[in-house]
Amino acid sequence: TQTVSQSDAHVTVFEGDSVELRCNYSYGGSIYLSWYIQHHGHGLQFLLKYYSGNPVVQGVNGFEAEFSKSDSSFHLRKASVHWSDSAVYFCAVRGYGSSGNKLIFGIGTLLSVKP
Amino acid sequence: GPKVLQIPSHQIIDMGQMVTLNCDPVSNHLYFYWYKQILGQQMEFLVNFYNGKVMEKSKLFKDQFSVERPDGSYFTLKIQPTALEDSAVYFCASSLPGNYAEQFFGPGTRLTVL
Repeated sequence: TQTVSQSDAHVTVFEGDSVELRCNYSYGGSIYLSWYIQHHGHGLQFLLKYYSGNPVVQGVNGFEAEFSKSDSSFHLRKASVHWSDSAVYFCAVRGYGSSGNKLIFGIGTLLSVKP
Repeated sequence: GPKVLQIPSHQIIDMGQMVTLNCDPVSNHLYFYWYKQILGQQMEFLVNFYNGKVMEKSKLFKDQFSVERPDGSYFTLKIQPTALEDSAVYFCASSLPGNYAEQFFGPGTRLTVL
């Protein structure tokens, strides 16, 4: 059974701060990991993904995430946030092989960026 | 970038009625999905669909649910009959073959069952 855990329900930072949103997963096989952003009242927008290779992946709008097999983590980071980054961020794992093509999402982390 | 459209954005119906949610996926995508999000909760997978067939469905995809995409038109989710617990936002998504981790989502249809 695959699970995704996002330990922080709500993170508040000031504009220009750096931020890290945490994601831990449990899955025994090869997986895809991804992050999505959801602005209020909108659908999810893809940010980045990891499957193999360089554990640090770059995404849109200055976001990056680092995969760690030993920690079972895929934390999302941004060096300097903007007020427009305020949104809910979802970490997701895609089961590979017999699990099909569904995405399993974490509960989400609400990022609030104060001016 | 590529967009997934969903019609309508809101739907209010009485319990027991039928409802059809419509999705216009990205034009060259071949995999289609429906997810359900109850207010304040995480997004949950309902079903995926490829080549005219359901590939996988979750336990949330009750017998009252059905999906189809007749002749390349809208990808639809039909609920017949609806129940109070079907009230949620339903998101459609699509993806290219081999790129399942990168799904493109629509803005959602908010369904309220009274």
